[in-house]
Amino acid sequence: DIQMTQSPSSLSSSVGDRVTITCRASQSISSYLNWYQQKPGKAPKLLIYAASSLQSGVPSRFSGSGSGTDFTLTISSLQPEDFATYFCQQSYTIPRTFGQGTKVEL
Amino acid sequence: QVQLVESGGGVVQPGRSLRLSCSVSGFTFSNFAMHWVRQAPGKGLEWVAVISYDGIHNYYADSVKGRFTISRDNSKNTLYLQMNSLRAEDTAVFFCARDHDIAAAGIGGYFDFWGQGTLVTVSS
Repeated sequence: DIQMTQSPSSLSSSVGDRVTITCRASQSISSYLNWYQQKPGKAPKLLIYAASSLQSGVPSRFSGSGSGTDFTLTISSLQPEDFATYFCQQSYTIPRTFGQGTKVEL
Repeated sequence: QVQLVESGGGVVQPGRSLRLSCSVSGFTFSNFAMHWVRQAPGKGLEWVAVISYDGIHNYYADSVKGRFTISRDNSKNTLYLQMNSLRAEDTAVFFCARDHDIAAAGIGGYFDFWGQGTLVTVSS
């Protein structure tokens, strides 16, 4: 199975900050990497697919980059509604696997 | 609009069975592969199983292989997860999720819509 490792596990930030979360795959997954946001008690929400494609309706302050084994999710200017947990997920092979999550806190 | 609604969760004793359902609306169900993903309390997301658009192909996480069965009824717009021989470590919120693709193991698939989840608690 492909292991996905996110860093950091949590981070403290303020409104307006630029936030970067990294995700590393245990083997090359080309650009088959997706990012989700999850708020407490809610279902995950797709933000980015195929490493850098913004899902419809997602604000442009979210962006993704990377290929191979190393990927990043960037929030250019953190908004109050962005405090949440973020997960990466590879779609290169079965089983689909997720990173352990990064909690973005105030 | 696209909606996925899970049901069937509850408290069950170890070793017993439970069947989850996911009723969908707002899209042509038979055109998409579907997944189950779970989340243990306070933990991360764990992919559980996937089924192709036509129900022919399915795949499972090793942790549930041989105990869980994913199925679908395209005439009823409903996805199922039959869970047998439940263990305490199966305690989780179970989400159904739509794949943007039709194939169960298609490269590049992603979960574009999710249900709200249903809680399964395995305890004596």
